[in-house]
Amino acid sequence: GESVGLHLPTLSVQEGDNSIINCAYSNSASDYFIWYKQESGKGPQFIIDIRSNMDKRQGQRVTVLLNKTVKHLSLQIAATQPGDSAVYFCAENTSDYKLSFGAGTTVTVRA
Amino acid sequence: DGGITQSPKYLFRKEGQNVTLSCEQNLNHDAMYWYRQDPGQGLRLIYYSQIVNDFQKGDIAEGYSVSREKKESFPLTVTSAQKNPTAFYLCASSQVQGGTEAFFGQGTRLTVV
Repeated sequence: GESVGLHLPTLSVQEGDNSIINCAYSNSASDYFIWYKQESGKGPQFIIDIRSNMDKRQGQRVTVLLNKTVKHLSLQIAATQPGDSAVYFCAENTSDYKLSFGAGTTVTVRA
Repeated sequence: DGGITQSPKYLFRKEGQNVTLSCEQNLNHDAMYWYRQDPGQGLRLIYYSQIVNDFQKGDIAEGYSVSREKKESFPLTVTSAQKNPTAFYLCASSQVQGGTEAFFGQGTRLTVV
């Protein structure tokens, strides 16, 4: 079965507000995590990553938080824009180089 | 232009036929992957390869076959043994060292008619 999953399948957010997308994982041996964004009919695009020796990492308008105690990962998007509407996946990379994905959260930005 | 190229973008297959999906990368990546995506679902790993002439089964390898004769190429064959082949297929590549991002192609949508 899948070892990575997302809490909510859909998220509706007002333009300009902050978005928080959550992800739970079960493989405590995973040492690297990635957030991807997928637009309709396209391949996933890399957003941000974090290694297991870190708790937080920031990018441009995005922040990833990792809580290893409860095996929880989150992606925060600041000042959400219409172009942020997409499906977001978290993925974990175990030591044998397999990348496992959760089911995804569909984010819809309301104007 | 560096990247991963999948072809064709759309593919139609008659039941009982084998079909091969192409994946080429010029990123000099050692590892390559094939995923299947069904509507509203996440990506499931079919096969992956860490080095030329070697590959491993993923979580849903039954009915699929691959080859890795060249570093830049990792074709996927969907055989007639795959009972439900209609799906969106994604190829990816990454550096062989664990803990690096995977870059994805734009996908091939396979439909069985």
